Amino acid sequence: AQSVTQPDIHITVSEGASLELRCNYSYGATPYLFWYVQSPGQGLQLLLKYFSGDTLVQGIKGFEAEFKRSQSSFNLRKPSVHWSDAAEYFCAVGGAGKLTFGTGTQLKVEL
Amino acid sequence: EPEVTQTPSHQVTQMGQEVILRCVPISNHLYFYWYRQILGQKVEFLVSFYNNEISEKSEIFDDQFSVERPDGSNFTLKIRSTKLEDSAMYFCASSVRAPTSLESGELFFGEGSRLTVL
Repeated sequence: AQSVTQPDIHITVSEGASLELRCNYSYGATPYLFWYVQSPGQGLQLLLKYFSGDTLVQGIKGFEAEFKRSQSSFNLRKPSVHWSDAAEYFCAVGGAGKLTFGTGTQLKVEL
Repeated sequence: EPEVTQTPSHQVTQMGQEVILRCVPISNHLYFYWYRQILGQKVEFLVSFYNNEISEKSEIFDDQFSVERPDGSNFTLKIRSTKLEDSAMYFCASSVRAPTSLESGELFFGEGSRLTVL
């Protein structure tokens, strides 16, 4: 069965600091991996996705993620966080619409 | 920019009552989904729908749940007899093609319908 672990429930960073959100997955085949962001009162917005090819994936809003098969990880990074990045971030694995989500990481940005 | 819209944004109902949550997917999308998120828990897959039939459903999607595309634009989730544990945020999503396609794979989510069962 596929599963996703996001070990950090809450993360606080200062504006301008770098960010890394961790995601580990379990999947029987080559995984399709996604990062979504949910701002308060909003739906889930896709930040980026990995299907195959280059293991470093660029997304919207300056985010990137690196797929590391040996570590079963797909960590999300941003070199300089903006206050507007405060939101909840979800890692997901799967395909055909049946995504398995992690429990999410709540990001707080201090000014 | 086209978006998935959901109504109502919040519904409060009594246990045992029927609830219908409505969604208008993006117009050229062919695949439709319902997910739910119980407060404080992860987002969970409920059901996928394509070509007027269910493609896949999870264990959560038991006989009290049903989905329908009654016309060319709406996609509904019906809960026949609500239980306290059905209280959650329900997300509708749609995609152009099956997300296993290398050219797509993006599910567009609505803002959710919060269901509170008393």
